[in-house]
Amino acid sequence: KQEVTQIPAALSVPEGENLVLNCSFTDSAIYNLQWFRQDPGKGLTSLLLIQSSQREQTSGRLNASLDKSSGRSTLYIAASQPGDSATYLCAAKNNAGNMLTFGGGTRLMVKP
Amino acid sequence: DAGITQSPRHKVTETGTPVTLRCHQTENHRYMYWYRQDPGHGLRLIHYSYGVKDTDKGEVSDGYSVSRSKTEDFLLTLESATSSQTSVYFCAISGSSGDNEKLFFGSGTQLSVL
Repeated sequence: KQEVTQIPAALSVPEGENLVLNCSFTDSAIYNLQWFRQDPGKGLTSLLLIQSSQREQTSGRLNASLDKSSGRSTLYIAASQPGDSATYLCAAKNNAGNMLTFGGGTRLMVKP
Repeated sequence: DAGITQSPRHKVTETGTPVTLRCHQTENHRYMYWYRQDPGHGLRLIHYSYGVKDTDKGEVSDGYSVSRSKTEDFLLTLESATSSQTSVYFCAISGSSGDNEKLFFGSGTQLSVL
């Protein structure tokens, strides 16, 4: 059974800092991995999707990488802003089936 | 934003009553999902659909049933609500390939079972 872990559970950084959020998974037979953002009281917003054949995806100040052999994905946020404050979740989809397994999320606070 | 709406947004009900939550999409996506989100448990899949009248169970399907009679609508029914089903329920949709495989979520339904 796939297990997805995100450490740390919470992170506080000053504005302008570059930061890395971590996501680890136990089963390397993944089909794709997605990163999401969730604001309080809201649904999840898809940020990036990395297919198993890809190593990374970029969107604006966000860059997500995938290393299946080590069971890790990272989300890099450049020049963080207070508006980046939210909970970030990763989710792995395995080759078998259509279910995504979500990590518990990292709650990010960017202080002005 | 993807065209996905959930109704109702909030619901308070009593133990033992039936409850139906509705998810409606305008994206013509093949896959539709129901998740629940609880503190300490994260997001967990209840049921999903891979086409009209085609559904399958997720990891926490006990006490829930679903139906999809049209591409655009996916209903989640709690046959006899229990307090343990108090949660935030999210519907999500996705397509079949490439970037369409991204999951798009609705705004959620806050359900309280008293």
